[in-house]
Amino acid sequence: AQKITQTQPGMFVQEKEAVTLDCTYDTSDQSYGLFWYKQPSSGEMIFLIYQGSYDEQNATEGRYSLNFQKARKSANLVISASQLGDSAMYFCAMRESASGGSYIPTFGRGTSLIVHP
Amino acid sequence: GAVVSQHPSWVICKSGTSVKIECRSLDFQATTMFWYRQFPKQSLMLMATSNEGSKATYEQGVEKDKFLINHASLTLSTLTVTSAHPEDSSFYICSLRDPASRTQYFGPGTRLLVL
Repeated sequence: AQKITQTQPGMFVQEKEAVTLDCTYDTSDQSYGLFWYKQPSSGEMIFLIYQGSYDEQNATEGRYSLNFQKARKSANLVISASQLGDSAMYFCAMRESASGGSYIPTFGRGTSLIVHP
Repeated sequence: GAVVSQHPSWVICKSGTSVKIECRSLDFQATTMFWYRQFPKQSLMLMATSNEGSKATYEQGVEKDKFLINHASLTLSTLTVTSAHPEDSSFYICSLRDPASRTQYFGPGTRLLVL
């Protein structure tokens, strides 16, 4: 079963508007972490934001915020005031514990975001 | 600045040759590094977890004899694609976790093209 689900293969947003990228996850661990990464056409994975499973408040980093709804197992990324440079692939990822204590990160399929003027 | 470096950034090789990709942690000691591969327009697929001083842990379906991983020091892990074939052409990315924080960093990736 897929652990990270991103249901939106592609999203369009107008410059300066806000956009929400969906992510749901599946885990039986009590302690886990959720990440969002941006991957532009260059291929580099750029860390955007992190949410720990025990964090009570939603994470925010500049124009990025994570709408964490633990009971629904969702961790949507909200980008406010979109910019043309935000056009990229966005990946949701989860890190959960594995046997031996090593944390294994897994990724969703990604959402392609296009910001148009 | 960059936290993780990879070398080379791209490589073209003939079928049957071996290719070594290096991943270096620049800011901290990493006891664990992760190797991913990514096909065009697809997600990152974890290949293996590289552990310093011990054998790597491979994901199901990844041939350990084909993808040799050596985590020789706390700042260097290498992935060697042995007897490369065209189907091994992909984007290979290493990743490591900062033990002081909860952030996972990625290298810039290595594009491999096997002719």
